[in-house]
Amino acid sequence: EVELVESGGGLVKPGGSLRLSCAASGFTFSNAWMIWVRQAPGKGLEWVGRIKSKADGGTTDYAAPVKGRFTISRDDSKTTLYLQMNSLKTEDTAVYYCATLGYAMDYWGQGTLVTVSS
Amino acid sequence: EIVLTQSPGTLSLSPGERATLSCRASQSVSSTYLAWYQQKPGQAPRLLIYGASSRATGIPDRFSGSGSGTDFTLTISRLEPEDFAVYYCQQYGFSPPGYTFGQGTKLEIK
Repeated sequence: EVELVESGGGLVKPGGSLRLSCAASGFTFSNAWMIWVRQAPGKGLEWVGRIKSKADGGTTDYAAPVKGRFTISRDDSKTTLYLQMNSLKTEDTAVYYCATLGYAMDYWGQGTLVTVSS
Repeated sequence: EIVLTQSPGTLSLSPGERATLSCRASQSVSSTYLAWYQQKPGQAPRLLIYGASSRATGIPDRFSGSGSGTDFTLTISRLEPEDFAVYYCQQYGFSPPGYTFGQGTKLEIK
């Protein structure tokens, strides 16, 4: 059974940093493309960024609002996906989900809440 | 950037009725990369439909997707109590690479 468990969320001040983790199991993580999606309180879904499998180049792409501030990485030996968030803004407050990525976002974690506030 | 517009914003129906949800794109999108998700309060989204018309694993056959080009539809043939939720359409674009969601349709019990 596919399982994705996010962690690392919390309260951080504007300008601060946070690293989220997504522990994966139940599938061959090294072959998977992965994505981060966020949802601000009471709002819709917004993609944050994705990472390809190393076999497909391991490259990353980011949404415009986070480009240059957020970095996605992966550790296939630990079957874990990461989201390093720097220079955080109040508008980054959201639940952050990781998901597997095929033709669509097939399996999702339960999300972790990031609150950016002074 | 492609914009997805979902309609209606809220749909009020009774169990047993048929639901038709619309997703319109600002320009033509590839059906291969058009998906629908269901989200219940306090839960993560769940994939329902991918490739515009293929049901994801474990999704009941009362859910169906159709459409091409700029107009896509999610149909729920006979609503069950557990179907009342928010539904999002989503597409992937290649240039520049990115993922777009519609703003969502809330399906509520009448």
